[in-house]
Amino acid sequence: DIQMTQSPSSLSASVGDSVTITCRASQGISNSLAWYQQKPGKVPILLIYAASTLQSGVPSRFSGSGSGTDFTLTVSSLQPEDVATYYCQNCASAPFTFGQGTKLEIK
Amino acid sequence: QVQLVQSGAEVKKPGASVKVSCMASGFTFTRHGIHWVRQAPGQGLEWMGWVNAVDGDTRYSQKFQGRVTLTRDTSASTAYMELTSLTSEDTAAYYCARNFFGLASTDYWGQGTLVTVSS
Repeated sequence: DIQMTQSPSSLSASVGDSVTITCRASQGISNSLAWYQQKPGKVPILLIYAASTLQSGVPSRFSGSGSGTDFTLTVSSLQPEDVATYYCQNCASAPFTFGQGTKLEIK
Repeated sequence: QVQLVQSGAEVKKPGASVKVSCMASGFTFTRHGIHWVRQAPGQGLEWMGWVNAVDGDTRYSQKFQGRVTLTRDTSASTAYMELTSLTSEDTAAYYCARNFFGLASTDYWGQGTLVTVSS
């Protein structure tokens, strides 16, 4: 099975900051990676698919990059509504494992 | 509009089984796969399995192999997840989600079904 490891597990940043979350796959998955945002008490929302394609309706301050085993999600100009937990997901082969999540807070 | 509406919360005793439904509307059901994901209280997302709405083909996480069965009824545009031999560790919110792109990116999720396992 492909393991997905996110870092950091949590981070705190100020409004307007740029933050980056990293996701590493235990083996190469090409660009088959998705990023989700889950706000407290809510259902996850797809942000990015195919590693770097922004899902329709998602603000352009979110961006994704990477290929193979190393991927990043960047939130530029952090907004208060970005407080959430972010998950990456292996979309290359079953089991389609998620990372353990990164909790993003505002300072 | 696209919607996935799940069945209501369940309370089960250890050893029992639960079957959760996921009714789709607003899109052609047989053009998408349906994934099932669960989330224990305060924990992360855990992928359980996938059912191809076209032909009923399935893939399961090894963790649940033998305990979970995913099915679909194309006439009712509904997917089902049945989990057997429940323990307290199965207490979680269970979500269905529509496969959007590639094998596993999911764009629409059901509202979640809370399954509580308690004696």
